[in-house]
Amino acid sequence: LAKTTQPISMDSYEGQEVNITCSHNNIATNDYITWYQQFPSQGPRFIIQGYKTKVTNEVASLFIPADRKSSTLSLPRVSLSDTAVYYCLVGDNNQGGKLIFGQGTELSVKP
Amino acid sequence: DSGVTQTPKHLITATGQRVTLRCSPRSGDLSVYWYQQSLDQGLQFLIQYYNGEERAKGNILERFSAQQFPDLHSELNLSSLELGDSALYFCASSVGQLGSYGYTFGSGTRLTVV
Repeated sequence: LAKTTQPISMDSYEGQEVNITCSHNNIATNDYITWYQQFPSQGPRFIIQGYKTKVTNEVASLFIPADRKSSTLSLPRVSLSDTAVYYCLVGDNNQGGKLIFGQGTELSVKP
Repeated sequence: DSGVTQTPKHLITATGQRVTLRCSPRSGDLSVYWYQQSLDQGLQFLIQYYNGEERAKGNILERFSAQQFPDLHSELNLSSLELGDSALYFCASSVGQLGSYGYTFGSGTRLTVV
């Protein structure tokens, strides 16, 4: 499983766009990139998953450059309720399905 | 409501005791995963079951065991409990055994060992 590196914490203000970058230099050909969000005392929630280029859903966008050695989760116009820990995971969907979580990025959105 | 149900929500027990945590996966999901989250260890993968069979094992202690029943619900058994076992225990489920469509997590069971 490829190791991921992301900032430990980030601060933002309401209404701003937040970009969280994750480095995964050793990503393998079969690996997908998945982001989860976790609020205190709640289970992680799937946000978005991608393999290459750009993926967008109603919650976020995921940008993946051609070399796939990093990825950026973009949250448009954040609100206070987006304060949470965001996890970047990289894995081969054939590796038994287990997800290995790193430290995550603690995003704090201020008024 | 994520569709994954975990009971109980809170559990307080003494050292040396045994407890059972229960998880009902989202309807249609065949895989169940157990995770432990403590302040100093983060989210740790424990074990995965797919359609009743063990599929992957992580950092699960020998004092811990799990199983998945024919109706697909799963139980995590923790025995000879120690203070360090105090943590949030999450169950997640997915459609297939490979989790390729994302995992759905339950709201967790908070275990406190005193």
